[in-house]
Amino acid sequence: KAGVTQTPRYLIKTRGQQVTLSCSPISGHRSVSWYQQTPGQGLQFLFEYFSETQRNKGNFPGRFSGRQFSNSRSEMNVSTLELGDSALYLCASSWGGLADTDTQYFGPGTRLTVL
Amino acid sequence: DAKTTQPPSMDCAEGRAANLPCNHSTISGNEYVYWYRQIHSQGPQYIIHGLKNNETNEMASLIITEDRKSSTLILPHATLRDTAVYYCIVRVDGGATNKLIFGTGTLLAVQP
Repeated sequence: KAGVTQTPRYLIKTRGQQVTLSCSPISGHRSVSWYQQTPGQGLQFLFEYFSETQRNKGNFPGRFSGRQFSNSRSEMNVSTLELGDSALYLCASSWGGLADTDTQYFGPGTRLTVL
Repeated sequence: DAKTTQPPSMDCAEGRAANLPCNHSTISGNEYVYWYRQIHSQGPQYIIHGLKNNETNEMASLIITEDRKSSTLILPHATLRDTAVYYCIVRVDGGATNKLIFGTGTLLAVQP
């Protein structure tokens, strides 16, 4: 079974631009979660989508948004990029049932650099 | 905030068992303990999880104390490729969300 895929793997943008990152979950998984990883803050939860609906959201500004399509693929968008948005963006997929043992599997990440 | 405490770093000799401790003294009765690892700049890799019984799979063993306030991840025969940051996570509100809260983890350095 193919794992979680993320595109692109690397991205360079300048301040003020916007960016869209894509995540394809493991086949059959309906939940996609997004995380941001920076050296200073570590791994932080951004939001989770399940059946095209945002189910949970972390403490990030409204510049960070996402969506999920009917095939469970998800995109996240960051508008008006700031230098501090430079990070590794990770998505994780899971079956999506609200069971204690619903294991999340992570993709390789997208490395975003904002200049 | 993360609900777990881990040592920041540990060393282990290649071929020996690596025992990584984790404290989770405020864990609730229905919260599972998950372990992930992250090799530099890659996505976290799921290792194992458990509730109260000891668990073993092809990668590792998980030993949870009877009071569930701490656990130990055991890599039975560490190799250089096991060098990574290991995260112990207590699943938050397991019945309401798939959100994971990562702490700072333990950097395991396997030495030749």
